[in-house]
Amino acid sequence: DAGITQSPRHKVTETGTPVTLRCHQTENHRYMYWYRQDPGHGLRLIHYSYGVKDTDKGEVSDGYSVSRSKTEDFLLTLESATSSQTSVYFCAISAGDQPQHFGDGTRLSIL
Amino acid sequence: GDSVTQMEGPVTLSEEAFLTINCTYTATGYPSLFWYVQYPGEGLQLLLKATKADDKGSNKGFEATYRKETTSFHLEKGSVQVSDSAVYFCALVNFNKFYFGSGTKLNVKP
Repeated sequence: DAGITQSPRHKVTETGTPVTLRCHQTENHRYMYWYRQDPGHGLRLIHYSYGVKDTDKGEVSDGYSVSRSKTEDFLLTLESATSSQTSVYFCAISAGDQPQHFGDGTRLSIL
Repeated sequence: GDSVTQMEGPVTLSEEAFLTINCTYTATGYPSLFWYVQYPGEGLQLLLKATKADDKGSNKGFEATYRKETTSFHLEKGSVQVSDSAVYFCALVNFNKFYFGSGTKLNVKP
């Protein structure tokens, strides 16, 4: 299995608080992605990274920021969490035009 | 732009039935195509892939053939098991961008 670790796996927090999710890889892949998965919406891309300090927005980036200071770590931050950001968040990695490999997900509940 | 369309679910089958989940795509150039499977509470796992026209991807009894003339990549299995119950996603990658279908839930009854 591809070496991808997401942390935390579960989190409950309150509206208005900042939240940071971490994705760590041991594969040295160039590309990293954050998705959210919600019933009826499938997978939606939030942000992705194509190298250290190189990131770009996906289709649902509003309210989220990312950072990648090292090849192995890709952080997703909700600056001020809202209930609409309750979701399951998946990190994925890829070596270019190769299959993405996914982490086990973070289940985030915002009350 | 590029996109993937797959059949709506849920699909409910009896054990040992034949499975087809339809997937069609729109893409410029020469995308690679994938099927992923997601079991409850888990992330997506790569099930099979095909990188060029007429390639057949296969794994665990599942097969899909890259049909460029019909822009399709339908997933098939000859005899499903209860353990195949999951959500299946069709996907493509083109110029380092990934596109996923909306997922098809498969329920297999004993």
